[in-house]
Parts: sequence; C-alpha cells; structure tokens
Amino acid sequence: GDSVTQMEGPVTLSEEAFLTINCTYTATGYPSLFWYVQYPGEGLQLLLKATKADDKGSNKGFEATYRKETTSFHLEKGSVQVSDSAVYFCALSEWGSNFGNEKLTFGTGTRLTIIP
Amino acid sequence: NAGVTQTPKFQVLKTGQSMTLQCAQDMNHNSMYWYRQDPGMGLRLIYYSASEGTTDKGEVPNGYNVSRLNKREFSLRLESAAPSQTSVYFCASRGGRGGGTGNTEAFFGQGTRLTVV
Repeated sequence: GDSVTQMEGPVTLSEEAFLTINCTYTATGYPSLFWYVQYPGEGLQLLLKATKADDKGSNKGFEATYRKETTSFHLEKGSVQVSDSAVYFCALSEWGSNFGNEKLTFGTGTRLTIIP
Repeated sequence: NAGVTQTPKFQVLKTGQSMTLQCAQDMNHNSMYWYRQDPGMGLRLIYYSASEGTTDKGEVPNGYNVSRLNKREFSLRLESAAPSQTSVYFCASRGGRGGGTGNTEAFFGQGTRLTVV
C-alpha cells in the first residue's frame, strides 16, 4: 500500500538557517504530494502541494519539488524564522483512484524548533 | 467561515464507557476522514468516507465505528473505550469526489483530546 517516510525529528535550527526536511514515498499509481503544517494546539493546514512529476509547490518561502525518479518530496526553506516552529507532515493521495479510494496518507511528522 | 467543526474539544472517559465524536463540515465536501495522532506515530487513518453513504476502514479501525449521517456530518464512536484509545482525534474533509480527484486540499478540525482512564 501507499506509505510516506519522513525525516526523523526533532529538528532544531537557529534563525536564518537553511532547512531541509526529507520525505520519500511509496505508491502504486500517480500520487499527489502535500506538505501540511501543525502549529501548537491547532489542526493541520496545507502548506504546499504538487500534483505531477517535476512540479514545484511553494508557499511562505517553503518549497518542495516532486521527484518521481527518486520518489521524493523534500521540504526546503532558505532562511527560517522563529514563527516557522511547528510540526511538518508529508502526505500523499493517489491520483486516478477508483471510486471509494480517497485515502490521504501521512508521514510521522517532523517537529521543527527555531531558536533566535 | 466555520470549515470543519469537531465536538467536544476535550473528553475524559473511564474504561468501558462509550462516546461519540462529532464532526461537521460546511464546504460541501464529499470525502471525510477520522485520524488519530499519537506521539511518534504521526497521523493514522481510522476510517474515511469517500461520499455520503460509504465508509471504509483505514489503518487502525479496531475499536471504532463511524457513521456518515449525511454529506455534512461524519461521527466516530467508541463503543467501549480503552486506555489505548487515549489520543488526539482529528476530523478532516476534502473536495475529492469518487473517480479520482486526489489532488485537493484537506481541511482539518481543531481536534478532540481524549483521555481514557
């Protein structure tokens, strides 16, 4: 079945450092890929997405490129801020699923802490 | 703009008690989901519903039942709560329709923190 493997956390960085959170996936078809973010005490919210190979999703200075050849969707940001401290989840959903197969599968999450 | 509304926000149960977690969305989405979030385990899918009238098991369905009451509402029931069901539960919905719209954004509720003692 589908699965998502995410970089183990927690990750602690200094403000303005470069961020990479690795994500690889296994899927039988042509998945769409997502990064979600969860701030303390809140539900998840979409950060960015990519729906086909070589697409780049971007939002709030974060970006991730859909790499079919390496089955990866790594999250990057050039200069992190304290406000980026949160838990980040990589997820996939199968494109072209049959009726009734609308599963959205998440990785285990990576807790990111940015120190001033 | 309510989005996805979950009730209650907090609940403490004794082992063996039953309860129903309620979820409602006002975005006319077809697909709805129940996840549980545990430390180090990420989000694990309990049940999902691709459309009104259909439900399917996810990764960890044992000990739970669901009802897709109508297009708006998707409830999760614990018939006999166990300490292993202590978790944070999230409901989500997305606009995917049966037939393969898997690229749509999921919207999440604020979560229900459940403790079973």
